[in-house]
Amino acid sequence: RKEVEQDPGPFNVPEGATVAFNCTYSNSASQSFFWYRQDCRKEPKLLMSVYSSGNEDGRFTAQLNRASQYISLLIRDSKLSDSATYLCVVNGMDSSYKLIFGSGTRLLVRP
Amino acid sequence: EPEVTQTPSHQVTQMGQEVILRCVPISNHLYFYWYRQILGQKVEFLVSFYNNEISEKSEIFDDQFSVERPDGSNFTLKIRSTKLEDSAMYFCASSSGTVAPGELFFGEGSRLTVL
Repeated sequence: RKEVEQDPGPFNVPEGATVAFNCTYSNSASQSFFWYRQDCRKEPKLLMSVYSSGNEDGRFTAQLNRASQYISLLIRDSKLSDSATYLCVVNGMDSSYKLIFGSGTRLLVRP
Repeated sequence: EPEVTQTPSHQVTQMGQEVILRCVPISNHLYFYWYRQILGQKVEFLVSFYNNEISEKSEIFDDQFSVERPDGSNFTLKIRSTKLEDSAMYFCASSSGTVAPGELFFGEGSRLTVL
């Protein structure tokens, strides 16, 4: 089983749509969870951390289900500028400071 | 806003040559990392560095790779004898370590092309 697994997409949605991404991770001992965003040929940038109670930042909502080892990201009212690859990131088994990246889910928002 | 800077942005080299990629992490950060991303593939961890020593490294980070913090600001990745498969984007990242692990700040990357 891959350490961090994501649906590669692409998700092709119209502006204003709501879209959800899912991610599963293999290490039950992981403690830190994140969503990063990566634009084409650019560096990853932190979108949001994911907390056990779930958290929201504007149009973005992240959820964590530790029992199922599952993380989700919901984007409401999609904008053209949301087009990017969304990376699910989990800290590694042996070190809190080693991050494992998923392969990413590509989102295309069309006018 | 403080940022991680990397040089060069793009380097082309012949197989077997040595390459040094340079990074200036954010000044008050304590944890430093190198990641790489082969075109079309995922971001892969190479090495983490804390308190002037390697804290963790991946299987990719073999004897051909080394890291150094030669002074108070630079953090370098050296590839001793490059192979074709080393062609990738190399990202340097840093973290303050005072917030949750994972809040990494990445540089814009150094694209390495090995011919």
